[in-house]
Amino acid sequence: DTAVSQTPKYLVTQMGNDKSIKCEQNLGHDTMYWYKQDSKKFLKIMFSYNNKELIINETVPNRFSPKSPDKAHLNLHINSLELGDSAVYFCASSHSGAGRSGYTFGSGTRLTVV
Amino acid sequence: GESVGLHLPTLSVQEGDNSIINCAYSNSASDYFIWYKQESGKGPQFIIDIRSNMDKRQGQRVTVLLNKTVKHLSLQIAATQPGDSAVYFCAETSLPLYGNNRLAFGKGNQVVVIP
Repeated sequence: DTAVSQTPKYLVTQMGNDKSIKCEQNLGHDTMYWYKQDSKKFLKIMFSYNNKELIINETVPNRFSPKSPDKAHLNLHINSLELGDSAVYFCASSHSGAGRSGYTFGSGTRLTVV
Repeated sequence: GESVGLHLPTLSVQEGDNSIINCAYSNSASDYFIWYKQESGKGPQFIIDIRSNMDKRQGQRVTVLLNKTVKHLSLQIAATQPGDSAVYFCAETSLPLYGNNRLAFGKGNQVVVIP
């Protein structure tokens, strides 16, 4: 029943490893996003996809590679993890279009790189 | 829980009192604004929105005020309850939410309700 679901909720891994975070939405939205929230709670957009097409790519290191197999899924793969990648990553989705539309967020994935 | 050394602006309010959270936004071209609430361990949750053709909008116990002249947004919570304890974010964008338009979030404000 969860509208935007992310897995895993917690991820602890060593530097240099490769990891993936998965996101699925059942709202019928056509746009999905990844946001990063740092230790000061600041939320910054990383990527957006509309109908499986990459729309926004915000100066994120190319170690981060999003993949959208269909418009209900947006996964995030991170290569060669670094200490600075530790953060909470949020997936979100929305309807594009002229009407009012906020984002619906998932509950986040807390990534800790040790 | 919160990180050690976290220094968010914090509003401590007595249960039953009214709360006011302020936000200065940066882009004069923004025409749509949202307040989000983030409880510990959860994602941001939509509270209320307002378009730039309005200066006030009311919801259940919440009111958003928009002053475009000074690029200022505020959220008023009436009769604050313990469940209102959270971090609150304002967000701005231009509609439609498509292409390069995206929600840009302001700094969070921590609200602590004292029973």
